[in-house]
Amino acid sequence: KAGVTQTPRYLIKTRGQQVTLSCSPISGHRSVSWYQQTPGQGLQFLFEYFSETQRNKGNFPGRFSGRQFSNSRSEMNVSTLELGDSALYLCASSLGLGPHGYTFGSGTRLTVV
Amino acid sequence: EDKVVQSPLSLVVHEGDTVTLNCSYEVTNFRSLLWYKQEKKAPTFLFMLTSSGIEKKSGRLSSILDKKELFSILNITATQTGDSAVYLCAVTQGDSNYQLIWGAGTKLIIKP
Repeated sequence: KAGVTQTPRYLIKTRGQQVTLSCSPISGHRSVSWYQQTPGQGLQFLFEYFSETQRNKGNFPGRFSGRQFSNSRSEMNVSTLELGDSALYLCASSLGLGPHGYTFGSGTRLTVV
Repeated sequence: EDKVVQSPLSLVVHEGDTVTLNCSYEVTNFRSLLWYKQEKKAPTFLFMLTSSGIEKKSGRLSSILDKKELFSILNITATQTGDSAVYLCAVTQGDSNYQLIWGAGTKLIIKP
């Protein structure tokens, strides 16, 4: 079965712009979680969606937002980009029964210049 | 503040060696501890531990949790070059089974 698909793989944006990242979960998975990974901070939880509802949110500013569609695909949006937003953004999908069932995508590498 | 600390941050060993990776945590209302392997980008799940003293094993990898001392170890025996990766430890807490608190990872390099 197809894995978790994240697009685009790489992205370069300038400060002040906004960006939308996409995540298509494994077929049948209803939970999608987003993480930011930076060398200094490691992996940090952004938010988790289940059946189109945000179920959990991490400690990120309001510039970071997301949504989930009825087909479980999820998008993450970052507005007014800052240099510090440069990171690998990982999406993980699961049936919704807990993180041991997570399957991660390969991520989107965002560089803000 | 909740935190997960992994040590060492990096480790270089030769093929065939045995390695032990450490993960200690200080979180409120601990629920479970998970180990992941990250080779290029996508972390892959290794183990989930919820009970103290019960070893989880998968081939040459094993892990155990000590809830009294608040740590876990991941052992890899007879290491191979394919074990080279970043090993991540994460903890879940309370009712939130879905929000993981991550350690910074241990970068393991296996030399042939």
